[in-house]
Amino acid sequence: AQTVTQSQPEMSVQEAETVTLSCTYDTSENNYYLFWYKQPPSRQMILVIRQEAYKQQNATENRFSVNFQKAAKSFSLKISDSQLGDTAMYFCAFYGTYKYIFGTGTRLKVLA
Amino acid sequence: DAGVIQSPRHEVTEMGQEVTLRCKPISGHNSLFWYRQTMMRGLELLIYFNNNVPIDDSGMPEDRFSAKMPNASFSTLKIQPSEPRDSAVYFCASSQPNTGELFFGEGSRLTVL
Repeated sequence: AQTVTQSQPEMSVQEAETVTLSCTYDTSENNYYLFWYKQPPSRQMILVIRQEAYKQQNATENRFSVNFQKAAKSFSLKISDSQLGDTAMYFCAFYGTYKYIFGTGTRLKVLA
Repeated sequence: DAGVIQSPRHEVTEMGQEVTLRCKPISGHNSLFWYRQTMMRGLELLIYFNNNVPIDDSGMPEDRFSAKMPNASFSTLKIQPSEPRDSAVYFCASSQPNTGELFFGEGSRLTVL
């Protein structure tokens, strides 16, 4: 069965600094997608970034980038130049054959 | 597009009452998911529909929970009878074929007294 593990329940970072959130997963599938979603206090879930497993190149969206290590089943999120608006819960998610599984989340607080 | 629309945003009810949560997915999306979010368990997938057909309902807690998708633009999640442990935020999400990206509604916060 697929699992998604986020080992950091809470993190904090100073404004303008860089922070990395960890995620590992387990699957026997070869083709799948990985995502990072953000849930701010408003509780709206928002897609941050996505990665197709067949692509070797790491996805990047402005200040957000991932380090995708397929063999190690690792999918970390790096946030550069952190902003106060980045304060939120961040969920790592796996999408495979008819399965969409979320990790338990990392609560990130950006400090002024 | 207005996005995924859920109603009600908030519901407070008493134990034993029936609760119905509603969801309108984004037009053109063929997959619909119901999730439950609590502090203790995080985000739990309750049920997943593809082309209006339930594909995986293994996450539905028990017989008190039921979900329907009578057409491509509407789904309901019903709890009967409700219990205090059902208190949670219930999210509906939809996705396009083959992209995997989920578009979430704003959630329905349910409180069962």
